[in-house]
Amino acid sequence: QSVLTQPPSVSAAPGQRVTISCSGTNSDIGDHYVSWYQQFPGTAPKLLIYDNDNRPSGIPDRFSGSKSGTSATLGITGLQTGDEADYYCATWDNILIGMTFGGGTKLTVL
Amino acid sequence: QLQLQESGPGLVKPSETLSLTCTVSNGSISSSPYCSDWIRQPPGKGLEWIGTFCHTGNSYYNPSLRSRVTISVDTSKKQSSLKVTSVTAADTAVYYCARRVGMRDYFDYTGQGTLVTVSS
Repeated sequence: QSVLTQPPSVSAAPGQRVTISCSGTNSDIGDHYVSWYQQFPGTAPKLLIYDNDNRPSGIPDRFSGSKSGTSATLGITGLQTGDEADYYCATWDNILIGMTFGGGTKLTVL
Repeated sequence: QLQLQESGPGLVKPSETLSLTCTVSNGSISSSPYCSDWIRQPPGKGLEWIGTFCHTGNSYYNPSLRSRVTISVDTSKKQSSLKVTSVTAADTAVYYCARRVGMRDYFDYTGQGTLVTVSS
């Protein structure tokens, strides 16, 4: 059972916008930076967003992140079939004294 | 560009010790502000953080694994090591090593992962 709560799945049509939520508490998201990862089947997770809302070089600006209080959101605009993947949020947890991941969200581009 | 490569046995017997090594090239995992982390993913499931060893010498482990896990870093060899004792089938997973940026807590580089199966 993950400390951070994500919807198991989201879906949208090509070209549309989708958001993925990540809900936590004051001991994790509320007190630390959030990062987001994209994972295709059989491959390693890849950093998409760090420090709540920053993109590493090479990540398209179609991907965005935000944080408010104890929740964070990943946004993807101009959806492409190549965006179909699992997405995970992560942050430090003061109670666990370690990193924690959300349960992951499977994105389907219809 | 930093590269991380996990290596170790792909098959471990129940009750034995799982040992993996992560070799670093074109960069560092042991200098400030970095930490060497291990993450695992059971087949068909989500990501689980195992633990970390930081440039400060501090280490932290997932409470659910703390009694069985040790992470160490050999700076001279540019390697990170993971040991998990008394393994069971529940430890079957793809194991990833990752570099984490300390204090900001994100994994900027991750290895390709290695599947470890626990079976007799």
